[in-house]
Amino acid sequence: ETGVTQSPTHLIKTRGQQVTLRCSSQSGHNTVSWYQQALGQGPQFIFQYYREEENGRGNFPPRFSGLQFPNYSSELNVNALELDDSALYLCASSLFSSEEQYFGPGTRLTVT
Amino acid sequence: GEDVEQSLFLSVREGDSSVINCTYTDSSSTYLYWYKQEPGAGLQLLTYIFSNMDMKQDQRLTVLLNKKDKHLSLRIADTQTGDSAIYFCAERAPGRRALTFGSGTRLQVQP
Repeated sequence: ETGVTQSPTHLIKTRGQQVTLRCSSQSGHNTVSWYQQALGQGPQFIFQYYREEENGRGNFPPRFSGLQFPNYSSELNVNALELDDSALYLCASSLFSSEEQYFGPGTRLTVT
Repeated sequence: GEDVEQSLFLSVREGDSSVINCTYTDSSSTYLYWYKQEPGAGLQLLTYIFSNMDMKQDQRLTVLLNKKDKHLSLRIADTQTGDSAIYFCAERAPGRRALTFGSGTRLQVQP
C-alpha cells in the first residue's frame, strides 16, 4: 500500500510568483485536505476536496485554490505569493467517512 | 471559536512515562486526536478518541479525556529515545471537516 506522497520536497519562489504543489493520496482514499504549517506552529486547515469539489475551507484568501483529479490526487495553487506564505504545506488523505487522516511528508515553500 | 492549547516542552528520562496535556475550548468537539511529527517529516496519526469515551489504550499509549474540563492527555509508557518528537493535539467539531491543531509539545527523551 502506497502512502501519501507530495512533490516537490522543497521550493523557493519570489514574492508575486505563483506555485503549484502536488499530492498523491493513499491508495483507496477519496478525500484530500491541505494544511499550512508555519515554523513552530501547528497545521492550519486550508481546504478539503471530495469528489473533485471543495468541501470545506479555512480562513485563507481566494489566491489559495485547489483541484482534485479523478484518481483522487490533488493540487494546491497559490497565486501572488507573499513572504508569509513561507511554510510547510501538508496534504492529508482519508476516506470521506473516516476519522483517520494520513499526512504526506510536506512541501517546504520559501518565498523570498 | 475553537482553540487548542498545549505546553511547549517536556523532558523525560528513557524508561519513564511521559504525559502530554492539551486543553480545548469547543465543547462540541466530537473527535480528539494525537499526532506525532518527527524533524523534517509530516504528521503521523497516533490515536484518536470519540468524545463519549473517557479513555482509550493502544499498546504504550493511553489517552484520557475529561470532557467537563475540556482536557485531553496522552500518556506514553516506557518512553524511548525514538519517541522524541513534537506531539500535536487536534480536535474536530461536528459538521466540520477541518482539524484544529494546537501548537505542539516538543518531547525530549534523555538516555
